[in-house]
Amino acid sequence: AQSVAQPEDQVNVAEGNPLTVKCTYSVSGNPYLFWYVQYPNRGLQFLLKYITGDNLVKGSYGFEAEFNKSQTSFHLKKPSALVSDSALYFCAQEGNTPLVFGKGTRLSVIA
Amino acid sequence: DAGVTQSPTHLIKTRGQQVTLRCSPKSGHDTVSWYQQALGQGPQFIFQYYEEEERQRGNFPDRFSGHQFPNYSSELNVNALLLGDSALYLCASSRRTSGRTDTQYFGPGTRLTVL
Repeated sequence: AQSVAQPEDQVNVAEGNPLTVKCTYSVSGNPYLFWYVQYPNRGLQFLLKYITGDNLVKGSYGFEAEFNKSQTSFHLKKPSALVSDSALYFCAQEGNTPLVFGKGTRLSVIA
Repeated sequence: DAGVTQSPTHLIKTRGQQVTLRCSPKSGHDTVSWYQQALGQGPQFIFQYYEEEERQRGNFPDRFSGHQFPNYSSELNVNALLLGDSALYLCASSRRTSGRTDTQYFGPGTRLTVL
């Protein structure tokens, strides 16, 4: 069965510092990989996706993610964090079934 | 261009009752998927509708059923509600291309509370 792991429940980072939110996926064919963000009492907003090609994917709001096949990882990154980036982040994988989500990582950016 | 819309925003029901949630997809999208997000968890896939048929289903009991209409909108029905059905129900729409769905875009969700 497909699975997505987000090993950190919470990530704290100072404003202006780089941030990384970690994600590993299970190997199942050629998975599509996604990052979504959820603000309080809101649905999920699409940030970026990896299908094939360049291992560095650029997305919305200055976020990017690096696909690493050998480590089965798809970590979310941003060079300079903003307080407004504070939210719940979900990594997801689509393979033989529609999206399988990780349990989420809460990002807190401290001014 | 309106995004994915869901109604109602909030709903309170009692155990044993039935509930219907509604979703209108983003313009140009033909596929609707439903997810259940329990508190503190990631969304769990319930089922997906395309061409008015259920195409895939997650690990949810038959109490959960759905429908897709010719205009691509969709309903999620839950019968015999249990306390454990309390959750945020998310609808996502996408376009089906080459047998796989493109990026899914989510609505704001319906918060269901079962008392």
